[in-house]
Amino acid sequence: NAGVTQTPKFQVLKTGQSMTLQCAQDMNHNSMYWYRQDPGMGLRLIYYSASEGTTDKGEVPNGYNVSRLNKREFSLRLESAAPSQTSVYFCASTRREGGAYGYTFGSGTRLTVV
Amino acid sequence: SQQGEEDPQALSIQEGENATMNCSYKTSINNLQWYRQNSGRGLVHLILIRSNEREKHSGRLRVTLDTSKKSSSLLITASRAADTASYFCATAAGFAGNNRKLIWGLGTSLGVNP
Repeated sequence: NAGVTQTPKFQVLKTGQSMTLQCAQDMNHNSMYWYRQDPGMGLRLIYYSASEGTTDKGEVPNGYNVSRLNKREFSLRLESAAPSQTSVYFCASTRREGGAYGYTFGSGTRLTVV
Repeated sequence: SQQGEEDPQALSIQEGENATMNCSYKTSINNLQWYRQNSGRGLVHLILIRSNEREKHSGRLRVTLDTSKKSSSLLITASRAADTASYFCATAAGFAGNNRKLIWGLGTSLGVNP
């Protein structure tokens, strides 16, 4: 049981380049999330998808887009990377919004924008 | 925005000792969750306590919740070097069926010395 799988694990981008972070879960969860984690800032929600076919902005959505490709997959795209987007990105999923369920996290993508 | 505030920010103990960390929050909640994050890894869900519960146990973990004080504590008994990690609390707030997102604290860094 793989849980939540994120790719890539590490990435270095030049300012202005684009990239897509991939996330897939095999637990039949309905809700999926993208977070960024920065020192002293904690986890901040970028976008989330409460269920297949829906996406919503979180706390820090500027500079990002998402696609809920199907129930399993939720991708995060940086269209024009900026140094301020240097961070560790985590994807997470949970059985469903509104229920008392814990989140399952991927192992993270460490992104550096130079 | 941060809802949960963990205390202390850092804690260093000897193997075999108990570790207690606290979380305070500001608004009414539906449930509160604790997570562990080992260095360079994703977060792992430890335990969830609902707002109508006062105490919950899982192995060497004991969580209490005092909704009148808007606070929770996580006790790790008989600590091991492998417990060295950051511990985060997260609160789920909102009307039933509308817990759109967890709100995260900044974490307590626990070091257990062998």
